[in-house]
Amino acid sequence: EAQVTQNPRYLITVTGKKLTVTCSQNMNHEYMSWYRQDPGLGLRQIYYSMNVEVTDKGDVPEGYKVSRKEKRNFPLILESPSPNQTSLYFCASSAKGGGVMNTEAFFGQGTRLTVV
Amino acid sequence: KNQVEQSPQSLIILEGKNCTLQCNYTVSPFSNLRWYKQDTGRGPVSLTIMTFSENTKSNGRYTATLDADTKQSSLHITASQLSDSASYICVVSATSSGNTGKLIFGQGTTLQVKP
Repeated sequence: EAQVTQNPRYLITVTGKKLTVTCSQNMNHEYMSWYRQDPGLGLRQIYYSMNVEVTDKGDVPEGYKVSRKEKRNFPLILESPSPNQTSLYFCASSAKGGGVMNTEAFFGQGTRLTVV
Repeated sequence: KNQVEQSPQSLIILEGKNCTLQCNYTVSPFSNLRWYKQDTGRGPVSLTIMTFSENTKSNGRYTATLDADTKQSSLHITASQLSDSASYICVVSATSSGNTGKLIFGQGTTLQVKP
């Protein structure tokens, strides 16, 4: 079954304690991205990757890091989480970028992060 | 500034009724427009994808329209069911030289279908 898997689904952590949210896709997709979803703001792109070892900032990259060492995985790293990073996070993958017609984006189930 | 605006913000309808959700966008350069359904606590799931040359596209009881001239889209839901209760998100794809996959999300319309 084609899917994007995120872990963990829920996480409560304290300010400053480094954490990693994993994302894995089984569709051999080139394009992967991370979004955060906050009430009233819609989904905003944090980072994206167009292929292995190719990553770039999205609209709200501050406080986050990513890596793309292999095609299937795209972890999101918070080196020093702060309360304003409390949010619902989604990983997504697609064969090509969204600008390519009919390139459907598949989303993970989401990770609800609370930083206290 | 690239923006996607949706209306209404929320909507309550009775089961079996039809409804139409609206989306206005100012995105350039426009590549395609998508509608997603997001159940509470789940990731968005694609309903339709349309390019500027497509006026309408259907997926079961969901029909999306696109007017590229006025930069407006609508999602019409026919004979609503309780399972249609969800957030519906309009997403416009903009192609830039550096990022071929940029998706710009609207804030969503929360639909509640009551028995």
